[in-house]
Amino acid sequence: GNSVTQMEGPVTLSEEAFLTINCTYTATGYPSLFWYVQYPGEGLQLLLKATKADDKGSNKGFEATYRKETTSFHLEKGSVQVSDSAVYFCALSSTYGGSQGNLIFGKGTKLSVKP
Amino acid sequence: GAGVSQSPSNKVTEKGKDVELRCDPISGHTALYWYRQSLGQGLEFLIYFQGNSAPDKSGLPSDRFSAERTGGSVSTLTIQRTQQEDSAVYLCASSFLSGRRGEQFFGPGTRLTVL
Repeated sequence: GNSVTQMEGPVTLSEEAFLTINCTYTATGYPSLFWYVQYPGEGLQLLLKATKADDKGSNKGFEATYRKETTSFHLEKGSVQVSDSAVYFCALSSTYGGSQGNLIFGKGTKLSVKP
Repeated sequence: GAGVSQSPSNKVTEKGKDVELRCDPISGHTALYWYRQSLGQGLEFLIYFQGNSAPDKSGLPSDRFSAERTGGSVSTLTIQRTQQEDSAVYLCASSFLSGRRGEQFFGPGTRLTVL
């Protein structure tokens, strides 16, 4: 079945450090890939997405590229800020094999950025 | 505009009682999903509604869980004879488009605690 594996946290960085959160997936067909973010005390919100191979999603300085050959969708940011402290979820959505496009999530990675 | 709303925000109940959780999706969104977020299992898909089609119930963990969507808008998730393992945050999401390309907008969730 479809699944998502992302690096375990927590991740603690200093402000302006480079961030990478690894995400790999297993899926039949051609899934869409997403990164969702959950800030403290808030709901899940979409950070970025990519719907086909080699697409790059980007938002708020974050980027992720859909790599079909390595089945990966790693999240990167060149210079993190304290306000980026949150839990980040990698997810996929597929309509192959009868699935209705529901999201399948990784376990989440908690990021803490220190000033 | 208004986002997805859920009520109650918190619910504490005794083991064996029934509970109802409510979701108001974004107006005009035809697709509605329920997920739950727990420490042990992460984020899991529960059920999906699309318009007037039969719901996809493939994620419901037991027959104690059921959901309905009235008039293609408001949805209610019912858990009968609650157990302690049902304690989790129950999230509702809606989407204008169904399938893998539709961006899902999440509500703030209902935190359910079963004593």
